[in-house]
Amino acid sequence: AQSVTQLDSHVSVSEGTPVLLRCNYSSSYSPSLFWYVQHPNKGLQLLLKYTSAATLVKGINGFEAEFKKSETSFHLTKPSAHMSDAAEYFCAVSKANQAGTALIFGKGTTLSVSS
Amino acid sequence: GAVVSQHPSRVICKSGTSVKIECRSLDFQATTMFWYRQFPKKSLMLMATSNEGSKATYEQGVEKDKFLINHASLTLSTLTVTSAHPEDSSFYICSARAYTGGLGNEQFFGPGTRLTVL
Repeated sequence: AQSVTQLDSHVSVSEGTPVLLRCNYSSSYSPSLFWYVQHPNKGLQLLLKYTSAATLVKGINGFEAEFKKSETSFHLTKPSAHMSDAAEYFCAVSKANQAGTALIFGKGTTLSVSS
Repeated sequence: GAVVSQHPSRVICKSGTSVKIECRSLDFQATTMFWYRQFPKKSLMLMATSNEGSKATYEQGVEKDKFLINHASLTLSTLTVTSAHPEDSSFYICSARAYTGGLGNEQFFGPGTRLTVL
């Protein structure tokens, strides 16, 4: 079965410092992987996705993630945090081996950014 | 483009009543919609997959008689929580998958509906 594990429930950084949100996955086939952001009482916004193309994926708002098959990881990074990045972040994997299937989400990582 | 709306955004109801939540794709046709449930400070849990014109497929452990899903058109899916109880209080989020290849089969998420059952 597909699953994702977000290794940190809470990450705190200072504004202007790098962000690293960690995600490991388990999949019986080559997965599609996603990172979403959720601001309080809002829906999910797609940051980026990996679908078996380039292993380094660039997303919106300066985020990027690298797919590492050998490590079964898909960590999210940003060189310099901004106050507006404070939110809940979810890593997700596609449930089945076809485009557009439902997603299995990790438990989320709360990112706090201090000034 | 690719906007998904949910209505209502927030609903409070008494225990024992039924509540209907609508999920609409506003500017694209969605053959498939998904319903997720999110508990406070928790992840999203897939409840069911809804395909236009056919019965929904429920995930294990989700009561199909309690959470009725109807996908009557390519732009509308509804989730009805029947005989709601306080434990049904949650944040319900839908997503819609585009019908055409132009949107790359990506899922687009609605803003969610917060249900509180008293």
